[in-house]
Amino acid sequence: EVQLVESGGGLVQPGGSLRLSCAASGFTFGTYAISWVRQAPGKGLEWVSAISGSGGSTYYADSVKGRFTISRDNSKNTLSLQMNSLRAEDTAVYYCAREQLWNLSPFIDYWGQGTLVTVSA
Amino acid sequence: QSVLTQPPSVSGAPGQRVTISCTGSSSNIGASYAVHWYQHLPGTAPKLLIYANTNRPSGVPDRFSGSKSGTSASLDITGLQAEDEADYYCQSYDRRLSGWVFGGGTKLTVL
Repeated sequence: EVQLVESGGGLVQPGGSLRLSCAASGFTFGTYAISWVRQAPGKGLEWVSAISGSGGSTYYADSVKGRFTISRDNSKNTLSLQMNSLRAEDTAVYYCAREQLWNLSPFIDYWGQGTLVTVSA
Repeated sequence: QSVLTQPPSVSGAPGQRVTISCTGSSSNIGASYAVHWYQHLPGTAPKLLIYANTNRPSGVPDRFSGSKSGTSASLDITGLQAEDEADYYCQSYDRRLSGWVFGGGTKLTVL
């Protein structure tokens, strides 16, 4: 059974840093690209970042570029999101999600349960 | 403001049919990128409902169907059931933004 379990969320002050982790199981981790998607309170889903299966390619939404860094350790089946210079607008539930690809169109077939990040003084 | 436009809400009685639209542009849906749909109940993980415009993952009832034409796509739900009450999101890829894009979400209420 495919499982994605996020951790590391919590309360952080504006300008602070936080590192999210995602533990994967039930599939060959290194053969799948993985994304982070977030949902701010009362808002819709927003794609944040993605990383290729090998870890050699990374992608970021403009809203987090230069502040967030995605990485993975395929030997440990884990994914990380280092979040720096956090802002109030980064407050959201962050989901780790496994990607599939159909004719160059990526989509998500499995999602984690999410971890809440709150940026507030 | 989401790149893909969905109606904020739709509603229908049990047994009825509802359609949720998703309107994009020439840099995403109109650029031949596929549209995918997710169902999201608050407090739970989103669930893939339709992928690549029209395909249902195993386990998704055939009451759910998708279509795409030009710069728009639609999700049809027939035979509405109380358990269908949820938020629905469309998603595609945008070549101008070089990233994924989601619709703003549509809240389905079963009356």
